Amino acid sequence: QSALTQPASVSGSPGQSITISCTGTSSDVGGYNYVSWFQEHPGKAPKLIIYDVITRPSGLSTRFSGSKSGSTASLTISGLQAEDEADYYCSSYTSSSTWVFGGGTKVTVL
Amino acid sequence: EVRLVESGGGLVKAGGSLRLSCIGSGFTFSDYGMNWVRQSPGKGLEWVSSISGGGDYIYYADSVKGRFAISRDNAENSLFLQMNSLRADDTALYFCARANWFSLDSWGQGTVVTVSS
Repeated sequence: QSALTQPASVSGSPGQSITISCTGTSSDVGGYNYVSWFQEHPGKAPKLIIYDVITRPSGLSTRFSGSKSGSTASLTISGLQAEDEADYYCSSYTSSSTWVFGGGTKVTVL
Repeated sequence: EVRLVESGGGLVKAGGSLRLSCIGSGFTFSDYGMNWVRQSPGKGLEWVSSISGGGDYIYYADSVKGRFAISRDNAENSLFLQMNSLRADDTALYFCARANWFSLDSWGQGTVVTVSS
C-alpha cells in the first residue's frame, strides 16, 4: 500500500495553467480508470473535484480537468485563480479493493 | 444534501481505545459503502478502512489491521471505528467518507484523535 507520488509543490501566476502529476503502479493508477482528485483548503474537509480520471462532479468549474497515461494521472487547472490556492490530493482504487492517496501537492498562486 | 458528522475523538494514552462514530443524512445510508480516512498533523491523507453497504465486505490498511474494527448500523445511519492498542502515530484528524462506486464523493468535517505516549 505505497502512497502515490505527487510533486510537493506547484506554483503559477493568475490566468496561467498548471499541471499536477500522480504516479502509481499497475495495481492502482495504471490498472483502473478510478483516479480521483481532491482539493483541500486549510481547516476544511477534502472536496472531490475529479473522479474516474476525467469526470467533474456536477456544478464544478470546467477549469479543472483530469487525464491519465499509463500509471501516471494528471490534474490540470487552467485560468489559475487566487481561490485555487490549496492542497491537492490524488487517489486511486486498487487491486486489493482499497484506496490509496498521493502525498499531496501544495498549489501556490503567485 | 448529503451530510456526514463524525464524533468520538479525544485524548487517549498509548495502548488505549476509542470508538469513533459517523452519522449520515440526506441519502439512503445502506446503499453506499463507507470509509474512514485520516490525516496526521501537517501530513497527507491516508485511507484507513472501508465497509460495503450491507457490511459484508470489510478492508483495512496494513497500518491498522488487527487493531481497528469498522462496523455500521444501517437502521441508525451510523458508521463506527473501534480503535484499540492506539499508538502515537495514530494521532490524526479522522474523516468518514462515502464511497460512490469508486470515488469518495462526500466527506465529514472530521474528529480529532490524539494519542499521548
